[in-house]
Amino acid sequence: DTAVSQTPKYLVTQMGNDKSIKCEQNLGHDTMYWYKQDSKKFLKIMFSYNNKELIINETVPNRFSPKSPDKAHLNLHINSLELGDSAVYFCASSRQLGFQPQHFGDGTRLSIL
Amino acid sequence: GENVEQHPSTLSVQEGDSAVIKCTYSDSASNYFPWYKQELGKRPQLIIDIRSNVGEKKDQRIAVTLNKTAKHFSLHITETQPEDSAVYFCAAQNTGNQFYFGTGTSLTVIP
Repeated sequence: DTAVSQTPKYLVTQMGNDKSIKCEQNLGHDTMYWYKQDSKKFLKIMFSYNNKELIINETVPNRFSPKSPDKAHLNLHINSLELGDSAVYFCASSRQLGFQPQHFGDGTRLSIL
Repeated sequence: GENVEQHPSTLSVQEGDSAVIKCTYSDSASNYFPWYKQELGKRPQLIIDIRSNVGEKKDQRIAVTLNKTAKHFSLHITETQPEDSAVYFCAAQNTGNQFYFGTGTSLTVIP
């Protein structure tokens, strides 16, 4: 039933590890996004994909690598995790680019020890 | 790039009063302005949006106004209720499909 689902919901890991977050949407949308929300609640776009192709890549360390195997999935892989990566990561989707509301997943809370 | 400023950062109102949150943007090419509500520990959810060819839009107790000349837009919530308490984000999207959120307003409605 969940339109945009992310796994895992919580991720606790040590500095230096590599981890992945998965996102799937069942809305038939063409566009998917990754956002980072820090402890001050600032929401910052990281990546945007349209029909599996990268559209937007904001200034994000190249330790973050998104992968879209099909337009219903957008996964985020993070290498060599750092303390500053601790945040809530939200996946979102919209029907298409431009003028479209975004539907967010429930978020993945990443905590780096 | 776009710069979206949002004020105030915190807002407390008595139940039944109105709340107004204001945002300004810098990129004149921005043409889509949604507002999201995020309850504690939950995901952001769209509550209302407006396109650049419209000056005002209303949905029950919620309204958004847009002044393209001044590059600012505002969210108005009337007859506030305790369940309106949340963090509200404005956002702006430009023709390059870049999407920028404001810094958020934490609204508390006091019963």
